Amino acid sequence: NAGVTQTPKFQVLKTGQSMTLQCAQDMNHEYMSWYRQDPGMGLRLIHYSVGAGITDQGEVPNGYNVSRSTTEDFPLRLLSAAPSQTSVYFCASSFTGTSGRHEQFFGPGTRLTVL
Amino acid sequence: AQTVTQSQPEMSVQEAETVTLSCTYDTSENNYYLFWYKQPPSRQMILVIRQEAYKQQNATENRFSVNFQKAAKSFSLKISDSQLGDTAMYFCAFMKHSRGGMLTFGGGTRLMVKP
Repeated sequence: NAGVTQTPKFQVLKTGQSMTLQCAQDMNHEYMSWYRQDPGMGLRLIHYSVGAGITDQGEVPNGYNVSRSTTEDFPLRLLSAAPSQTSVYFCASSFTGTSGRHEQFFGPGTRLTVL
Repeated sequence: AQTVTQSQPEMSVQEAETVTLSCTYDTSENNYYLFWYKQPPSRQMILVIRQEAYKQQNATENRFSVNFQKAAKSFSLKISDSQLGDTAMYFCAFMKHSRGGMLTFGGGTRLMVKP
């Protein structure tokens, strides 16, 4: 299994540009999430999904869109990039499991700079 | 809404010694999970240890153990026999039992293990 993969690893955008951060998992996990990590801070939840076709907002959703048409993929779209969106973005997936235990598996992250 | 607080921005410990990282949280939930994640310079998020709130017994994973005090809403991480590879950022995180995929993180503690 490749686990959780994210592309690209690095990206530089100009203010106002749009782009999509890709996230895929091959573990058949029901839950997928996007977080951002600003310098010296913990991760904050942007959007999450509990299954294909179902998404909801997290703590900091403004400026971002998501969709989940398949179990495997959960892309994050920046509609009009702003310098405040400069951050490291992590995608994660998780499952409940038969014991009810949760464990989130994180991708390697995408470092985004908006000029 | 839940909040997670890590009051120690930075800590250091000598190799082979023991160190304890603090975490407190605020929630009105009775059923939830608590996690400690390690983030080395590679920025990969690595699960260190997990605690289910309904379990009174403290979780242990090799050199890592927790002191879970549910009434006090405290969840500290003890690292025994510290190794140079333990140098990293450590994040405490909270998840409602009914909200898989939604973690709330603390601000992190930077741990330096000195030779």
